[in-house]
Amino acid sequence: AQSVAQPEDQVNVAEGNPLTVKCTYSVSGNPYLFWYVQYPNRGLQFLLKYITGDNLVKGSYGFEAEFNKSQTSFHLKKPSALVSDSALYFCAVRDRNAGNMLTFGGGTRLMVKP
Amino acid sequence: DGGITQSPKYLFRKEGQNVTLSCEQNLNHDAMYWYRQDPGQGLRLIYYSQIVNDFQKGDIAEGYSVSREKKESFPLTVTSAQKNPTAFYLCASSTGAGIYNEQFFGPGTRLTVL
Repeated sequence: AQSVAQPEDQVNVAEGNPLTVKCTYSVSGNPYLFWYVQYPNRGLQFLLKYITGDNLVKGSYGFEAEFNKSQTSFHLKKPSALVSDSALYFCAVRDRNAGNMLTFGGGTRLMVKP
Repeated sequence: DGGITQSPKYLFRKEGQNVTLSCEQNLNHDAMYWYRQDPGQGLRLIYYSQIVNDFQKGDIAEGYSVSREKKESFPLTVTSAQKNPTAFYLCASSTGAGIYNEQFFGPGTRLTVL
């Protein structure tokens, strides 16, 4: 069975500093990985995805993520955090062997302080 | 929230009542999904539909029912058999159920059982 772990419930960072939100996954086949962001009382917004190719994926709002097959990780990064980046972030994985369904991590709350 | 609407935004239900949550999309997407979100947890899949007049159970389908009579609409009924229905419900759609396709989410419905 596929699974996703987001080991940090909350990440605190000062505005202007780089941020990292961690994600590790477990699948039996090739992983297809996604990051979503959720603002309070809203639906999820797609940020980026890794399907194949370059391990560094660039997405919306200046976010990027690095796929690391040996560490089974897909950490979300941004060089310079904004207060408006404060939100709940979800990592998700798909695996052909699991019927193509998305499995989500538990979410990480990012708090960016001025 | 990209062409997916959910109504109502807030819903209150008495124990023992069935309620139906609406989800409509104008993105011409074939696949639609219902997720449940509880505090501190990721999203869990309730039901999904890859095509009109067809739907499949997700991980937590017990106590829920759906229909897919039109491509644009995928209503979810929370029945009295659902033991703990208070949660945030999210509807999503994608161009297909293929492994590469990201899902687009509606704004959600918060259901509270009184």
